[in-house]
Amino acid sequence: GAVVSQHPSRVICKSGTSVKIECRSLDFQATTMFWYRQFPKQSLMLMATSNEGSKATYEQGVEKDKFLINHASLTLSTLTVTSAHPEDSSFYICSATGTATDTQYFGPGTRLTVL
Amino acid sequence: GDSVTQMEGPVTLSEEAFLTINCTYTATGYPSLFWYVQYPGEGLQLLLKATKADDKGSNKGFEATYRKETTSFHLEKGSVQVSDSAVYFCALTTNAGGTSYGKLTFGQGTILTVHP
Repeated sequence: GAVVSQHPSRVICKSGTSVKIECRSLDFQATTMFWYRQFPKQSLMLMATSNEGSKATYEQGVEKDKFLINHASLTLSTLTVTSAHPEDSSFYICSATGTATDTQYFGPGTRLTVL
Repeated sequence: GDSVTQMEGPVTLSEEAFLTINCTYTATGYPSLFWYVQYPGEGLQLLLKATKADDKGSNKGFEATYRKETTSFHLEKGSVQVSDSAVYFCALTTNAGGTSYGKLTFGQGTILTVHP
């Protein structure tokens, strides 16, 4: 099956710094990638949708200047949490889908802790 | 708008018991339906899917049938194992057409714990 990786798997940073999370599709071309946030024992909340070469579409209530998304190639999307604060601590998960399929394949997630 | 409702958990079973996790949905158009599983500390894995009415998705002993008449996609397994302990998410997507695919709408997740 399709494989999506994320890096890093865990990151701890100081308040006020920026953190970049990478999402890669390893064996297929991802025309669309999605970024989710998951709070403990809760479902996934879609943050934004990005199409390769286009600006990301953010869900209502998600600050686009705080959560910068870049989808520069068909195999890589990045999420940068700028000026991170403790309330940004969460589990961030990406997913990817390609042409001719409606199935999203998920990365293993990145645990962000902001001190 | 689209929505997915799952039975509330947590669900606790003994090994080899029968499992049912109910899932119902509301959607415009003709959705594809999915079950995803999330093991502790990990991302989501696709468990099975069905893309049209009466389709049955199956994988690893799990099954779910797309019932358009009852707008349901209940997950079943005849004999659960301890290793099945995880969170299960029902989800749907409606194809937006072309190369831009629809967003996944998730249920709230059901925690399953299987005891030896």
